[in-house]
Amino acid sequence: AQSVAQPEDQVNVAEGNPLTVKCTYSVSGNPYLFWYVQYPNRGLQFLLKYITGDNLVKGSYGFEAEFNKSQTSFHLKKPSALVSDSALYFCAVRGPYILTGGGNKLTFGTGTQLKVEL
Amino acid sequence: DAGVTQSPTHLIKTRGQQVTLRCSPKSGHDTVSWYQQALGQGPQFIFQYYEEEERQRGNFPDRFSGHQFPNYSSELNVNALLLGDSALYLCASSLGSGGPLGEQYFGPGTRLTVT
Repeated sequence: AQSVAQPEDQVNVAEGNPLTVKCTYSVSGNPYLFWYVQYPNRGLQFLLKYITGDNLVKGSYGFEAEFNKSQTSFHLKKPSALVSDSALYFCAVRGPYILTGGGNKLTFGTGTQLKVEL
Repeated sequence: DAGVTQSPTHLIKTRGQQVTLRCSPKSGHDTVSWYQQALGQGPQFIFQYYEEEERQRGNFPDRFSGHQFPNYSSELNVNALLLGDSALYLCASSLGSGGPLGEQYFGPGTRLTVT
């Protein structure tokens, strides 16, 4: 079974400072990893994904994530936080196609509330 | 380019009733997945439809059923509603059911309240 852990319910950071939102995963085989953001009363917006290749993945709105296979982690980062980045962030994992029986079910973490203050 | 759309936006039902939620996928997408997001939780996978068939199913009872139409749109049906079914129901669409192209795009969701 695949699973995702987001150990922090909330992360607080000052505007202009770097931010990190942590994510660890468990899955059989090579993972497909995703970050989504959710604003109040909205659906999920895709930020970035790791499929294969470079361990540092760049995504939307200046976000990036670092894949670390040995630590089974996929932490979300941004060099300089903005107040408008305040939202709920979800990490998700999908197993490799051959093991999912032909589906692309995502398993999500419980989410991390990011609060960026002036 | 139309994104994923869902209807209705909000819905209030009574315990024991039945509800149908609708989803139209992003233009060009052929696969629809449904997720339930309870308050304060991450989305939980309900099931996925591809080529009008249920391809994967999460840990949800048979009260939850679905359908995909030839135009790729989809419905989620929930029978015998329970208070615990109150949640945001998210529809996600993708191109193909697997592989890197299977990146999912989410709709705004339907907020279901069961009283």
